[in-house]
Amino acid sequence: DVKVTQSSRYLVKRTGEKVFLECVQDMDHENMFWYRQDPGLGLRLIYFSYDVKMKEKGDIPEGYSVSREKKERFSLILESASTNQTSMYLCASSLSRVTYEQYFGPGTRLTVT
Amino acid sequence: AQSVTQLGSHVSVSEGALVLLRCNYSSSVPPYLFWYVQYPNQGLQLLLKYTTGATLVKGINGFEAEFKKSETSFHLTKPSAHMSDAAEYFCAVRGKTSGSRLTFGEGTQLTVNP
Repeated sequence: DVKVTQSSRYLVKRTGEKVFLECVQDMDHENMFWYRQDPGLGLRLIYFSYDVKMKEKGDIPEGYSVSREKKERFSLILESASTNQTSMYLCASSLSRVTYEQYFGPGTRLTVT
Repeated sequence: AQSVTQLGSHVSVSEGALVLLRCNYSSSVPPYLFWYVQYPNQGLQLLLKYTTGATLVKGINGFEAEFKKSETSFHLTKPSAHMSDAAEYFCAVRGKTSGSRLTFGEGTQLTVNP
């Protein structure tokens, strides 16, 4: 089974802090994704990556950056957390550019106070 | 651009009743369509997918969906609801750009009443 793990299930940070959310997959998948999930808005894509050191903006990249130094790890960075970034963050991975099935981690519920 | 519309943000059924969750899509490329389920405090889990071939797709936990090109729909059904089906359900369609991006609907929260 594919396993996608996220470093924290719950996280509480203060406004202005730098926040790192880590995601690791164990199936040698090429593609990795970061979403945020908010009630009534579904999943919105923040950033994704097709390969190591590659990244592409999704639909809502403002206020976020990412890092992919190793194939199995994809980090989401909030440079200066704000209260409107309080949300559920979901990481996902997929095998390659031509496979569309995505495997999700359990999510990190981030609260910024 | 690709988009997905899920009709009804909340659906409530009785245990044993038919479950019908509606999904309509728009796509400028042949659609690949997915249904995911999210149980409380968990990530998303794939229920079923349509890529090519048979338009009636069977998934896990007794769910199935039918791809209807003429109606641009991919509705999710289950003949008899179980209490354990209570969850949020997301429909998704592949993106136009190369790669494996998916565009998700807003989600439908399914409540099953005893």
